Amino acid sequence: GQNIDQPTEMTATEGAIVQINCTYQTSGFNGLFWYQQHAGEAPTFLSYNVLDGLEEKGRFSSFLSRSKGYSYLLLKELQMKDSASYLCAVRDIYNQGGKLIFGQGTELSVKP
Amino acid sequence: DAGVIQSPRHEVTEMGQEVTLRCKPISGHDYLFWYRQTMMRGLELLIYFNNNVPIDDSGMPEDRFSAKMPNASFSTLKIQPSEPRDSAVYFCASSLRAGTSTDTQYFGPGTRLTVL
Repeated sequence: GQNIDQPTEMTATEGAIVQINCTYQTSGFNGLFWYQQHAGEAPTFLSYNVLDGLEEKGRFSSFLSRSKGYSYLLLKELQMKDSASYLCAVRDIYNQGGKLIFGQGTELSVKP
Repeated sequence: DAGVIQSPRHEVTEMGQEVTLRCKPISGHDYLFWYRQTMMRGLELLIYFNNNVPIDDSGMPEDRFSAKMPNASFSTLKIQPSEPRDSAVYFCASSLRAGTSTDTQYFGPGTRLTVL
């Protein structure tokens, strides 16, 4: 089966750095995605990892360790607009096509 | 590109009524996904299509739910009869491909369904 765990909520201060962790268990592995979802809006793609290591994209970076079943999303220079839910999603290699399994999401609140 | 288009954006109906949600994927995308999101269960995949053919409908909760994709630019999700526990936000998403690991799913704005 598949299982994805991430913290339910986090709070951080504007201008700071925050790390959102995600652990997963799958029967196979074919990529991990991070999505951002503002309240009342659709999820939007942030980052993708399939190999171990760090992928950097502006203020956002995502890290993957396949051997540990672990990923994190790092947000730097936090802004108020970064307050949102962050969803970790895993693609299982044994699933046909592009089925993604989503975690419950981490609700990030950025305070002034 | 206009992105994934869904209609209606909001739907309020009474228990027992039929509800039809509509989706237009991004032009040229081969895969279409229907998700349901609630506070309790998060984002759940209901069904997805490849080239208009249903590939995996294991997430469809029960026979009251059905989905069709008559052509590459249109899909419907139907609930008949609807029940209060079906109240949720329903998202449609599409991707160019899904067999390669890098393909990203793009989500529509969602339909917020309330069943009274």
